[in-house]
Amino acid sequence: GAGVSQSPSNKVTEKGKDVELRCDPISGHTALYWYRQSLGQGLEFLIYFQGNSAPDKSGLPSDRFSAERTGGSVSTLTIQRTQQEDSAVYLCASSKNLGEQFFGPGTRLTVL
Amino acid sequence: AQSVTQLGSHVSVSEGALVLLRCNYSSSVPPYLFWYVQYPNQGLQLLLKYTTGATLVKGINGFEAEFKKSETSFHLTKPSAHMSDAAEYFCAVELTNTGNQFYFGTGTSLTVIP
Repeated sequence: GAGVSQSPSNKVTEKGKDVELRCDPISGHTALYWYRQSLGQGLEFLIYFQGNSAPDKSGLPSDRFSAERTGGSVSTLTIQRTQQEDSAVYLCASSKNLGEQFFGPGTRLTVL
Repeated sequence: AQSVTQLGSHVSVSEGALVLLRCNYSSSVPPYLFWYVQYPNQGLQLLLKYTTGATLVKGINGFEAEFKKSETSFHLTKPSAHMSDAAEYFCAVELTNTGNQFYFGTGTSLTVIP
């Protein structure tokens, strides 16, 4: 595809359920980032993958959050036992080794 | 440590007036610098970037920014604001000596008053 894609675009779930959010980066981009953006807030860094290196997980807010990137391409962000405070837009971005990030449209997560 | 600081979480300007959004960074080596814009209910898109070379960079929609190493700044300007410029603006740095980690500022919400 031409850009970064994310699915689903919207997800409504009940408190306590697990959710999986998917990101398809631009082909050939070695770096992939996940961010969280709460209503009216800035970007909160979650996790960063660069090639085959160990991911930088320093931004994950709790052990309920995890992410993986398979084959250096598609990434899945998993939130276990969702809480209402997890409601936000989750953004994925990819980039080449150096250079600007290209953002996907985001997944809006609502936890009831 | 805070790598990017955007002064002013909200800025209001009159239509036709100068737009100035401030961004300062901290880095031991010259970073790559970016401005992104997020229009209401949309994703982030790149406005402009500085990597190397000319320190005054021009972006889309008439915006420009100047990298000033001595001031560790990368302020965003536009000579004449349009109503369509109302959006959230994010400054970002890529620290080229730390595995290419990106840091985003907290954002500045620009309001344009008719």
